[in-house]
Amino acid sequence: KQEVTQIPAALSVPEGENLVLNCSFTDSAIYNLQWFRQDPGKGLTSLLLIQSSQREQTSGRLNASLDKSSGRSTLYIAASQPGDSATYLCAVSSARQLTFGSGTQLTVLP
Amino acid sequence: EPEVTQTPSHQVTQMGQEVILRCVPISNHLYFYWYRQILGQKVEFLVSFYNNEISEKSEIFDDQFSVERPDGSNFTLKIRSTKLEDSAMYFCASGATGAPNEKLFFGSGTQLSVL
Repeated sequence: KQEVTQIPAALSVPEGENLVLNCSFTDSAIYNLQWFRQDPGKGLTSLLLIQSSQREQTSGRLNASLDKSSGRSTLYIAASQPGDSATYLCAVSSARQLTFGSGTQLTVLP
Repeated sequence: EPEVTQTPSHQVTQMGQEVILRCVPISNHLYFYWYRQILGQKVEFLVSFYNNEISEKSEIFDDQFSVERPDGSNFTLKIRSTKLEDSAMYFCASGATGAPNEKLFFGSGTQLSVL
């Protein structure tokens, strides 16, 4: 059974810092990995999707990497801003189901 | 970007009552899903639906749950006799083809509170 773990569970940084969020998964037989943003009590906003054949994807200040063989992904956020404060979830796709991690709660302090 | 729409955004019900959560998937999508997130816990898969049939379901999706596509646009999740532990955020998602590597589009969720 696929298990997804995210470290750290919470992270607090000053504005302007670059930061890395980590995601690991136990079964490397995945189709893709997706990073989501979730604001408190709100829905899931898709940030980046990396196919299993890809190594990374970039969107603006976000860069996600995937090392499928080692079961790891990172989300790099450059020049963090207070508006980036949210919970970041990673999810892996296997057999038409997404398995989610428990998220990293990010706080960017002004 | 196209959107998945869920209504209502919040639903409060009494234990034992039936609730129906509604979703309008993206119009040309063929695969539909329900996920839920209990407060403080992970988002969990409930069920997938294709061609008017359940494609896959998790252990959570027991006999009190049912899904339906009553017309060409809506996709519903019915909980027959709600329990306190059904309180959660319920997310609908849709995919264009059901390919296992495709991006799923999620709605903004329905927060269900069972009292």
